[in-house]
Amino acid sequence: NAGVTQTPKFQVLKTGQSMTLQCAQDMNHEYMSWYRQDPGMGLRLIHYSVGAGITDQGEVPNGYNVSRSTTEDFPLRLLSAAPSQTSVYFCASSRGTFEQFFGPGTRLTVL
Amino acid sequence: DAKTTQPPSMDCAEGRAANLPCNHSTISGNEYVYWYRQIHSQGPQYIIHGLKNNETNEMASLIITEDRKSSTLILPHATLRDTAVYYCIVRVYEGETSGSRLTFGEGTQLTVNP
Repeated sequence: NAGVTQTPKFQVLKTGQSMTLQCAQDMNHEYMSWYRQDPGMGLRLIHYSVGAGITDQGEVPNGYNVSRSTTEDFPLRLLSAAPSQTSVYFCASSRGTFEQFFGPGTRLTVL
Repeated sequence: DAKTTQPPSMDCAEGRAANLPCNHSTISGNEYVYWYRQIHSQGPQYIIHGLKNNETNEMASLIITEDRKSSTLILPHATLRDTAVYYCIVRVYEGETSGSRLTFGEGTQLTVNP
């Protein structure tokens, strides 16, 4: 199993641009989440999904959209990038137990 | 969810036990304690969780005080590869999705020295 994969690994955007961060898992996990981590800080939940077709907001959802059309994929869309969205983004999945599996992260810089 | 307090940094000698404390004095009866770690900006890694009993797995032991106001994560024989930021998280149990909706604080930077 590849586990949780994220693409791209690095991305630089200009203010106002949009993009999609990709996340995929091959463990047939129902639950998937997106977090952001700002420098020197812990992770904050952006959006999460409890299954295909079902998503909900986390702690810091503004400026981000998600959808879950399949069990495997959970893309995160930045609608109009702002410098405040410069961060490392982590995707995670779980099967409904207490353990989450995290991807390697996408490092995003917005100029 | 209850707030947690952890020391910002700790050191440990290689081969010795690393004892990482966490204070969660406002914890309620249905809140679990989770521990994760993050090695050098990689994605966090689950270590262990518990409600009120002590727990042990292949990675670590979790000791929760009887009043549940604090806990200690124990790495019995720390190695250099255990150098990481360790996060203690308290989360109310609201069903299966609870463990997928966590808020990570700033954690404890554990440095294992040779």
